[in-house]
Amino acid sequence: GIQVEQSPPDLILQEGANSTLRCNFSDSVNNLQWFHQNPWGQLINLFYIPSGTKQNGRLSATTVATERYSLLYISSSQTTDSGVYFCAVVENTDKLIFGTGTRLQVFP
Amino acid sequence: EAQVTQNPRYLITVTGKKLTVTCSQNMNHEYMSWYRQDPGLGLRQIYYSMNVEVTDKGDVPEGYKVSRKEKRNFPLILESPSPNQTSLYFCASREGGGGALETQYFGPGTRLLVL
Repeated sequence: GIQVEQSPPDLILQEGANSTLRCNFSDSVNNLQWFHQNPWGQLINLFYIPSGTKQNGRLSATTVATERYSLLYISSSQTTDSGVYFCAVVENTDKLIFGTGTRLQVFP
Repeated sequence: EAQVTQNPRYLITVTGKKLTVTCSQNMNHEYMSWYRQDPGLGLRQIYYSMNVEVTDKGDVPEGYKVSRKEKRNFPLILESPSPNQTSLYFCASREGGGGALETQYFGPGTRLLVL
């Protein structure tokens, strides 16, 4: 099956800093999503981005499908950005395969 | 508001006492699924359903049952819960039909503790 790896595993930032999270996947995919799991455990959709670039406020994402990676950019980070960020891709059985996650902590 | 709801959000139970976690979506989605999340293991699919009366096993189906009698509901049943089923459970849905080319939406999660 498809392997999905994320880096870095942990990230500690001060408020206002920018960061880049990476997601590598081992095979071609038609679907890639980024999620934020907040400290209360809720999974929040950030982007559906099988290819190209999208932006939503301080967050943006880029997927280069031919090179099998996706990047999530967080600019001017805030304490509310803390949590775990997952990328997930769809295998041929329509199942979402989640990456290992990046745990982000933003301090004031 | 388009959403996936789960109940209960938190549950403490004892070994062997049957329980059901409900899941409902109001987006007329065909595809629904259940995941469990465990430290160090990430999210793993338990069961999924492509449409009403169509269900299939995911990666970790042992100890769980599901049913899909209505399009909007997809309950997860633990007939005889055991401590190794202590986990955070998520229900998810997407439109279906388009296969992989759709956004999947997740419910708020159910934290289950089996003593």
